[in-house]
Amino acid sequence: SQQGEEDPQALSIQEGENATMNCSYKTSINNLQWYRQNSGRGLVHLILIRSNEREKHSGRLRVTLDTSKKSSSLLITASRAADTASYFCATVRGDSSYKLIFGSGTRLLVRP
Amino acid sequence: NAGVTQTPKFQVLKTGQSMTLQCAQDMNHNSMYWYRQDPGMGLRLIYYSASEGTTDKGEVPNGYNVSRLNKREFSLRLESAAPSQTSVYFCASSERVGTGELFFGEGSRLTVL
Repeated sequence: SQQGEEDPQALSIQEGENATMNCSYKTSINNLQWYRQNSGRGLVHLILIRSNEREKHSGRLRVTLDTSKKSSSLLITASRAADTASYFCATVRGDSSYKLIFGSGTRLLVRP
Repeated sequence: NAGVTQTPKFQVLKTGQSMTLQCAQDMNHNSMYWYRQDPGMGLRLIYYSASEGTTDKGEVPNGYNVSRLNKREFSLRLESAAPSQTSVYFCASSERVGTGELFFGEGSRLTVL
């Protein structure tokens, strides 16, 4: 069963706008990660946030984590056409398995 | 550095045939993983190897076997392929299981007729 569920499933915005994607999960986690996948390619790691952190920044990316609501959000500011990709959240469960489980992803289209 | 290398990139099989997907990493990582990706679904973990000499089942292990040949290599075998195994398969590696980022290969697209 999927641990993380992203919302929305698809998002279309104009270049220069901000894009926000949300992720909800079900069980306790050790950390939560966001990945990007360009069409036909492998996944690329974007950012990791630990369960005791609430916010993290990396360049134009801002990730928040609310463990009480079991949710995270990824904000991409000043989007570019090159940001067009699918974005996945993935969680490492807080049990001893340390499995990294992915959500179903958000497809982002940034229109020039 | 090549990172994570998967072979083959494309394969077509008939139902009942067997095949092995190969994966090698050159980052001296301890942990390696096999995922499958189907349309509209995220990646699902098939098997993983936390360290050389160990393997564990993921979310969808049925119909697959794995071998951690050495620290660099982690293979995935389909003993009797079924159409439901048509998918894109990704190998990944990380320094240690559960604590950091995964590095992914470019994927192997498998079609079972």
